[in-house]
Amino acid sequence: GESVGLHLPTLSVQEGDNSIINCAYSNSASDYFIWYKQESGKGPQFIIDIRSNMDKRQGQRVTVLLNKTVKHLSLQIAATQPGDSAVYFCAENKGSGGSNYKLTFGKGTLLTVNP
Amino acid sequence: GAGVSQSPSNKVTEKGKDVELRCDPISGHTALYWYRQSLGQGLEFLIYFQGNSAPDKSGLPSDRFSAERTGGSVSTLTIQRTQQEDSAVYLCASSLVTTNEKLFFGSGTQLSVL
Repeated sequence: GESVGLHLPTLSVQEGDNSIINCAYSNSASDYFIWYKQESGKGPQFIIDIRSNMDKRQGQRVTVLLNKTVKHLSLQIAATQPGDSAVYFCAENKGSGGSNYKLTFGKGTLLTVNP
Repeated sequence: GAGVSQSPSNKVTEKGKDVELRCDPISGHTALYWYRQSLGQGLEFLIYFQGNSAPDKSGLPSDRFSAERTGGSVSTLTIQRTQQEDSAVYLCASSLVTTNEKLFFGSGTQLSVL
């Protein structure tokens, strides 16, 4: 979801549970989507990406799901660990018109993992 | 280097002063980006460099902002006559031209304008 002012959407889970972080994107022409993880004081770190010709992609403990019908993207983290605590950003690439380098980022979701 | 390096990591300046922020991209990455991240917000695109092509400056918020990239490697983002609303984290990223959506970010420069 979207944040208001300084307040990020937050998700709090217990260690070992699965986490699902959601993102709504804006442009039906976007053809590439990417999830980043940002820990406090660090730059965003790539987690996983997916192209619009796919609806699911799996990585290590992470799965990205893409629903183009409703323009929705989700990140699933299995067996969440304290080290997963961070802000998670989705980004889309509105790849038409030659500007396929210009990612548009969402405002992020703060994931807190309780031990 | 092993990753994107930015300096300084923190910069405190007075309103009206000029600042320069530096970025060393990953060796071999021809694409370089600057983004700005305000508190609790997502990343705002500022400028993009690709090889010897003219940079895309469409995200620069005002003419007080400028950036250059010398020798296709190191980049400097300059903010003239800083204002309090310029306070933010300035992030640099680089990528390979062949996978130009997969950005590798530095840790950023936290700029505080008093």
